[in-house]
Amino acid sequence: EAQVTQNPRYLITVTGKKLTVTCSQNMNHEYMSWYRQDPGLGLRQIYYSMNVEVTDKGDVPEGYKVSRKEKRNFPLILESPSPNQTSLYFCASSPFGADIYGYTFGSGTRLTVV
Amino acid sequence: DAKTTQPTSMDCAEGRAANLPCNHSTISGNEYVYWYRQIHSQGPQYIIHGLKNNETNEMASLIITEDRKSSTLILPHATLRDTAVYYCIVRSYQLTFGKGTKLSVIP
Repeated sequence: EAQVTQNPRYLITVTGKKLTVTCSQNMNHEYMSWYRQDPGLGLRQIYYSMNVEVTDKGDVPEGYKVSRKEKRNFPLILESPSPNQTSLYFCASSPFGADIYGYTFGSGTRLTVV
Repeated sequence: DAKTTQPTSMDCAEGRAANLPCNHSTISGNEYVYWYRQIHSQGPQYIIHGLKNNETNEMASLIITEDRKSSTLILPHATLRDTAVYYCIVRSYQLTFGKGTKLSVIP
């Protein structure tokens, strides 16, 4: 089944403890992206990648890192999480030429930083 | 990317057509109109997209006005499972989500 898989689905962590949220897609998509969703603020893009080894900042990149060493994986790294990064996170992917194809989203990762 | 305007919320009776409007008066010639929906806190789901012509797929129809300044998403026979937030997005490449329309399908 074609899908975007995020892990974990739920995570509670403490301030300052490094964590990684994984994202993997099995559709050979070139484009991948991370979003966070907060009440009243909607979905905001964190980082995106147009292909392997190519990443760029979205609207809210502060406090996050990403890497794209392989086409299928696009992990989101929080080096020193803070409570304001408590949010619902979504990974998405799309074929190249994303202006004419829809995005496929993962099921989400609910992160709580205490 | 062009900005979109959608009503905050709408109700629709089960079994009836749900017509969700979207204004995008600043759309440029190469920007597509996309519709996504998000059911509760699940990942957004792609519904349909179009450039100039009306489009139809198994989920919905998209009607784009001739001047492309507005569009309507039509769910022909709304069910309770169609209750969701619907996002109209105009883009040339990146997806930028607004607040969307919260559609409530009522039994």
